[in-house]
Amino acid sequence: GAGVSQSPSNKVTEKGKDVELRCDPISGHTALYWYRQSLGQGLEFLIYFQGNSAPDKSGLPSDRFSAERTGGSVSTLTIQRTQQEDSAVYLCASSSIGGGPSFFGPGTRLTVL
Amino acid sequence: KNQVEQSPQSLIILEGKNCTLQCNYTVSPFSNLRWYKQDTGRGPVSLTIMTFSENTKSNGRYTATLDADTKQSSLHITASQLSDSASYICVVSLVRNNNDMRFGAGTRLTVKP
Repeated sequence: GAGVSQSPSNKVTEKGKDVELRCDPISGHTALYWYRQSLGQGLEFLIYFQGNSAPDKSGLPSDRFSAERTGGSVSTLTIQRTQQEDSAVYLCASSSIGGGPSFFGPGTRLTVL
Repeated sequence: KNQVEQSPQSLIILEGKNCTLQCNYTVSPFSNLRWYKQDTGRGPVSLTIMTFSENTKSNGRYTATLDADTKQSSLHITASQLSDSASYICVVSLVRNNNDMRFGAGTRLTVKP
């Protein structure tokens, strides 16, 4: 596609449920990043994939969070047993070069009731 | 303490006026500095990226400057337009790897007619 796409754009779930968020990076981009942004706050790093290297998971806030990237392209961020504090916009970004994310997706707004 | 401080936190200007946003950082070792524009409800869009050796970078009406000695950067917006209303985020990348980045909290710019 022309840019980074994410789905769903909005997700409302009940506390305790599992959710999956999807990211389709720009074709050919080897680097993929997940961030989350709470209302009025800056971006918080979650996880980083680079090619076939082991992902940098240092930003995941708890073991309820996990992510995978299949075939070096599409990525899925999974949140298990969601909590209200997980409510945020989850942003995915990709890049073909070093130095950080070049292109961001529109985000998935997650609301945990 | 955030290693990337942006000022002002928010700014209101009239259409057609110029403005300058500031970013001070203490991040070291430094790799590059990016300015992003984030419209409400959208993902950030990269405006400029500067490495250690670059002092200035322009993108249309946006001009970023970097003083690596004083660890200061600015984003100057010329002849502001209503569409410039957004949050502007300063992001500094460390040399260590492509993922170690520190985000400023952003400056919320509102351009009024």
